Amino acid sequence: AQRVTQPEKLLSVFKGAPVELKCNYSYSGSPELFWYVQYSRQRLQLLLRHISRESIKGFTADLNKGETSFHLKKPFAQEEDSAMYYCALSEYGNKLVFGAGTILRVKS
Amino acid sequence: NAGVMQNPRHLVRRRGQEARLRCSPMKGHSHVYWYRQLPEEGLKFMVYLQKENIIDESGMPKERFSAEFPKEGPSILRIQQVVRGDSAAYFCASSPGRRGDYGYTFGSGTRLTVV
Repeated sequence: AQRVTQPEKLLSVFKGAPVELKCNYSYSGSPELFWYVQYSRQRLQLLLRHISRESIKGFTADLNKGETSFHLKKPFAQEEDSAMYYCALSEYGNKLVFGAGTILRVKS
Repeated sequence: NAGVMQNPRHLVRRRGQEARLRCSPMKGHSHVYWYRQLPEEGLKFMVYLQKENIIDESGMPKERFSAEFPKEGPSILRIQQVVRGDSAAYFCASSPGRRGDYGYTFGSGTRLTVV
């Protein structure tokens, strides 16, 4: 079965420090992977997807098929990055399989 | 464009009652997905619908849960005879096409509390 694992429930960093939110997956085919973010009291929003290889709000994520990982990175954390982050895998092109999420807290 | 609209935002039901959750997709979106988020867990897929069709209901509990997306009106997730374990946040998402790479737009969710 397809699975997405986010090993950290909470990641706490200081402002200006680098951030890496881990995501590992298991999938038999060619995965389509996404990162979603949920800021406090707001709806879930798409942050980025691996097929577009873009950088949004300074975040990047590289798909590593050898390690089956799609870690989310940002070189310098900002306080407004504090949120819940979900890694997700698109199964057969429609439904999403989500990880349990990681809360990122950026301290000043 | 108002985005994906879910109502109510909060719903309290007594055990044994019925809960009806509504989702209006974004304009131009004909694909609707329902997800459930239990406390301390990620979102779990429940059902995928197009207008008048259930495409994939592999995540739906076998009993008490049903979903529809009629030709006119919002998609409805219906939970009959609710139990405490149904307390969760229920999210709806819509997309313009079948493939996930079009991107999903999520609603704000309905928080169901069973007392």
